[in-house]
Amino acid sequence: KAGVTQTPRYLIKTRGQQVTLSCSPISGHRSVSWYQQTPGQGLQFLFEYFSETQRNKGNFPGRFSGRQFSNSRSEMNVSTLELGDSALYLCASSLTGTSGNTIYFGEGSWLTVV
Amino acid sequence: KNEVEQSPQNLTAQEGEFITINCSYSVGISALHWLQQHPGGGIVSLFMLSSGKKKHGRLIATINIQEKHSSLHITASHPRDSAVYICAWQAYSGGGADGLTFGKGTHLIIQP
Repeated sequence: KAGVTQTPRYLIKTRGQQVTLSCSPISGHRSVSWYQQTPGQGLQFLFEYFSETQRNKGNFPGRFSGRQFSNSRSEMNVSTLELGDSALYLCASSLTGTSGNTIYFGEGSWLTVV
Repeated sequence: KNEVEQSPQNLTAQEGEFITINCSYSVGISALHWLQQHPGGGIVSLFMLSSGKKKHGRLIATINIQEKHSSLHITASHPRDSAVYICAWQAYSGGGADGLTFGKGTHLIIQP
């Protein structure tokens, strides 16, 4: 079956703009989680959604937001982009959540803010 | 403050060697994950552990809940095992499980 699909794969944005990233989970998976990876901070948890509800949120400013649709697809949005938001953004899906389930990662979206 | 300590940070070994990567965490957890990341970014989940030991092919993962410690072992290492290995744990708090907390990763290079 198809894996986790993230779009777009690469994008360049200007400071102050906003960006929306999309994640389609594996069919049947109801949990989608998002992560930011940078060389300095490594992998950091952004948020997790389950059945259209945000279940957990990491320690990121309110400029980072997300949502999940009834088909489990998820989007994350970053408003008022800053240079430090340049990162690899990964989403992962699992059946019911990252506790007790194998998680499957997408290939990621590489965001460069200039 | 990173609450997951991984060691070593970098490891270069010869093909065929037995590899051990360690992960220590600071609080009670609900699950611990071992992940593999190849150049280019893709991450693969190797194991999800809440207790005991799991084996898949040449990979073995163990966890000691009392000591808050987990290890990933690679037997008969091969150059294709070269990657970054990351442990991540998840704790319970308040109304449910928290998000994952990640170690900084172990950069493993297996030379032919």
